[in-house]
Amino acid sequence: EAQVTQNPRYLITVTGKKLTVTCSQNMNHEYMSWYRQDPGLGLRQIYYSMNVEVTDKGDVPEGYKVSRKEKRNFPLILESPSPNQTSLYFCASSFVARRRFDNEQFFGPGTRLTVL
Amino acid sequence: DAKTTQPTSMDCAEGRAANLPCNHSTISGNEYVYWYRQIHSQGPQYIIHGLKNNETNEMASLIITEDRKSSTLILPHATLRDTAVYYCIVRVVIQGAQKLVFGQGTRLTINP
Repeated sequence: EAQVTQNPRYLITVTGKKLTVTCSQNMNHEYMSWYRQDPGLGLRQIYYSMNVEVTDKGDVPEGYKVSRKEKRNFPLILESPSPNQTSLYFCASSFVARRRFDNEQFFGPGTRLTVL
Repeated sequence: DAKTTQPTSMDCAEGRAANLPCNHSTISGNEYVYWYRQIHSQGPQYIIHGLKNNETNEMASLIITEDRKSSTLILPHATLRDTAVYYCIVRVVIQGAQKLVFGQGTRLTINP
């Protein structure tokens, strides 16, 4: 089954304790992205990757790191989490848009992170 | 970036057609209109997209006005499982990236 998986689905942690949220897709997609969703602010892009070893900042990258060593994986790293990073996180993937810019993005089930 | 405007919320009776409007008056010629929905904090789900012509798939129909300044998503026979937040998105492509800009969406409630 074509899917995007995220782990963990739920995480409660404390300020300053490094954590990684994993994202994996089995559709051979080049493009992967992380979003966070907060009440009243909607979904905002954190980082994205156009392909292996190619990553770039989205709208709210502060406090996050990513890596893309393999095509299928795109982990989100919080080196020193803070309470303002408490949020619902989504990973997404798709083929890179070509001429018609008409490909859909597939989203993971979400990771609910609480930083105390 | 083209901006979209949607009603905050809508109600529809189960079994009836749900018509969700979206205004995108600043859309440019090569931008597509996409619709996604999000069911109660699950990951957003793609529904349909279009450029100029009306589109239909197994989930919904998309009607785009001739001037492309607005569109309507139609769920022909709404069920309780269609209760969700529906996002109308105009596709932004920046330096080859594929950013989706989500607004606040329309909270659609299907009533029994």
